[in-house]
Amino acid sequence: DTAVSQTPKYLVTQMGNDKSIKCEQNLGHDTMYWYKQDSKKFLKIMFSYNNKELIINETVPNRFSPKSPDKAHLNLHINSLELGDSAVYFCASSQEVWAQYFGPGTRLTVL
Amino acid sequence: SQQGEEDPQALSIQEGENATMNCSYKTSINNLQWYRQNSGRGLVHLILIRSNEREKHSGRLRVTLDTSKKSSSLLITASRAADTASYFCATLLLSNKLIFGAGTRLAVHP
Repeated sequence: DTAVSQTPKYLVTQMGNDKSIKCEQNLGHDTMYWYKQDSKKFLKIMFSYNNKELIINETVPNRFSPKSPDKAHLNLHINSLELGDSAVYFCASSQEVWAQYFGPGTRLTVL
Repeated sequence: SQQGEEDPQALSIQEGENATMNCSYKTSINNLQWYRQNSGRGLVHLILIRSNEREKHSGRLRVTLDTSKKSSSLLITASRAADTASYFCATLLLSNKLIFGAGTRLAVHP
């Protein structure tokens, strides 16, 4: 009965590959987010979707493409992975602008 | 530049002591939230204080907000070893974007 789930938990891949991270929430929330946490633990918003519509799109390379097939799912696809993409990626959801519920994170390592 | 900055960066205390963490921000906000992150885990929401509120309590947590000084503090009373974690303040801007600070690493020793 996990509220926000992400898969995979760990992802190790070579530079230049394309990978996807999936996120699902069963809280009935209308807004979902992707965050990137770097090695210094700094957490930065990347994207936000409200009812499948993109509402926040930060200055993120266009190699990163979010997709929301329905309001319970928000996936993140990354093309042509680079060393600097190594980080922990967190999915989160909220009802409107209130408390956000985070997934367990996906630790991406690009070799 | 970063919206939220926390102070101190790291705090080490004994069980039973109180822990105080401070957060400062730069622009107008809708609300301010505090989150906890245990090592290797996702963030957990602790408490939210709206811009028109000055103080809020939740169990052993007490949050204050001073919008004139653009600052907030989180007090954890009677700390326990299980409180060891990183604590982040996050400000919800008027654009509805949530911006996180760099966090305070709290270590509570038995």
